Amino acid sequence: QKEVEQNSGPLSVPEGAIASLNCTYSDRGSQSFFWYRQYSGKSPELIMSIYSNGDKEDGRFTAQLNKASQYVSLLIRDSQPSDSATYLCAVSGRSNYQLIWGAGTKLIIKP
Amino acid sequence: GAVVSQHPSWVICKSGTSVKIECRSLDFQATTMFWYRQFPKQSLMLMATSNEGSKATYEQGVEKDKFLINHASLTLSTLTVTSAHPEDSSFYICSAASPSGGAGETQYFGPGTRLLVL
Repeated sequence: QKEVEQNSGPLSVPEGAIASLNCTYSDRGSQSFFWYRQYSGKSPELIMSIYSNGDKEDGRFTAQLNKASQYVSLLIRDSQPSDSATYLCAVSGRSNYQLIWGAGTKLIIKP
Repeated sequence: GAVVSQHPSWVICKSGTSVKIECRSLDFQATTMFWYRQFPKQSLMLMATSNEGSKATYEQGVEKDKFLINHASLTLSTLTVTSAHPEDSSFYICSAASPSGGAGETQYFGPGTRLLVL
């Protein structure tokens, strides 16, 4: 059974601090890794994708991938109250371009 | 780029009626579309994978005769909930796969359709 694990939270972070979200996956053959943000009552929106080991930065967001440890993380610098949402980690499966989803981590940024 | 629309955004219907939901990729061609369902405070649940011109692949436990999927073109997939019942009330979300720079494809989500069956 291929799995993607996330801490459900809630993770509470003060405004302006760095929020660190973590995800582990079980399938060593996974090639693509994604972070989505989902606000309450809305559909998920893509934040970052990462395919190679190391860091990938986009504005305040940094995705980190370590395939040897089967670990992917998302760092949010200078956290804002508008970053409060559920963050979903998704990992590629091996067929039909499906994604295997984590259950999500609820992030709360406190002013 | 990579915009996905969904229509309608809200639907309320009587028990026993059928409801059709449309999912369109507006600025790219999507050979694969996905249909998800999400109940309040729960995770996304993949219902089916839809490939243009072929039959959809349904996840275990999803009734293919109840949730009819048609992927008639590279930009349009429809989900029809037949003989809807109150337990079908949920948030239905589609996504469309667009080729990405990596090893696979990136899924872009529509805004979702909230279905309430009375």
